[in-house]
Amino acid sequence: GENVEQHPSTLSVQEGDSAVIKCTYSDSASNYFPWYKQELGKRPQLIIDIRSNVGEKKDQRIAVTLNKTAKHFSLHITETQPEDSAVYFCAVPPGRGGSYIPTFGRGTSLIVHP
Amino acid sequence: DTGVSQDPRHKITKRGQNVTFRCDPISEHNRLYWYRQTLGQGPEFLTYFQNEAQLEKSRLLSDRFSAERPKGSFSTLEIQRTEQGDSAMYLCASSQDRGIDEKLFFGSGTQLSVL
Repeated sequence: GENVEQHPSTLSVQEGDSAVIKCTYSDSASNYFPWYKQELGKRPQLIIDIRSNVGEKKDQRIAVTLNKTAKHFSLHITETQPEDSAVYFCAVPPGRGGSYIPTFGRGTSLIVHP
Repeated sequence: DTGVSQDPRHKITKRGQNVTFRCDPISEHNRLYWYRQTLGQGPEFLTYFQNEAQLEKSRLLSDRFSAERPKGSFSTLEIQRTEQGDSAMYLCASSQDRGIDEKLFFGSGTQLSVL
């Protein structure tokens, strides 16, 4: 199955700083890369995703960059705010075969200090 | 509420008892997933349905676990003879068959505590 590594496991920043979370994967055929945010006690929710035919996608203060050659993609949050505090998960579906089952990273706990 | 709903939100049971959870996906979604999440970990895949067909099960899923989706709508996950190691958050997610960009919509989960 897909091997997904996510780093760091925890990230502590001051309000206004930037945060970067990186995810590496093993299946070179994977072609869709979402990020999910899970606030304490709540469900994971998709916040941004990228397809393999683009290198970067931005949505206000969040962006995702993809390096297919190196098989990694990263979540960037700029001007962090306390409400960004949550656990962030990358997910990677297999690139080939009949299943569409994403493998999730272990998560990054982001803490934004006011 | 048109999101994914799960019931119950919390379940406390004694070791050895059977438990059943229910998931109601978003109505037009034909794919349904069950994941398990423990503290500090990402969601771990358990099983997956396309319509009423259970297409894949994780090797981690012991024979004490069974899932159904009888009419391709709601799904149930049953755990027989629960063990303390079964304590976790059980998440259901659904998605629409869109090809490569499968966006999963999660329910709020059922938190299981086995005493």
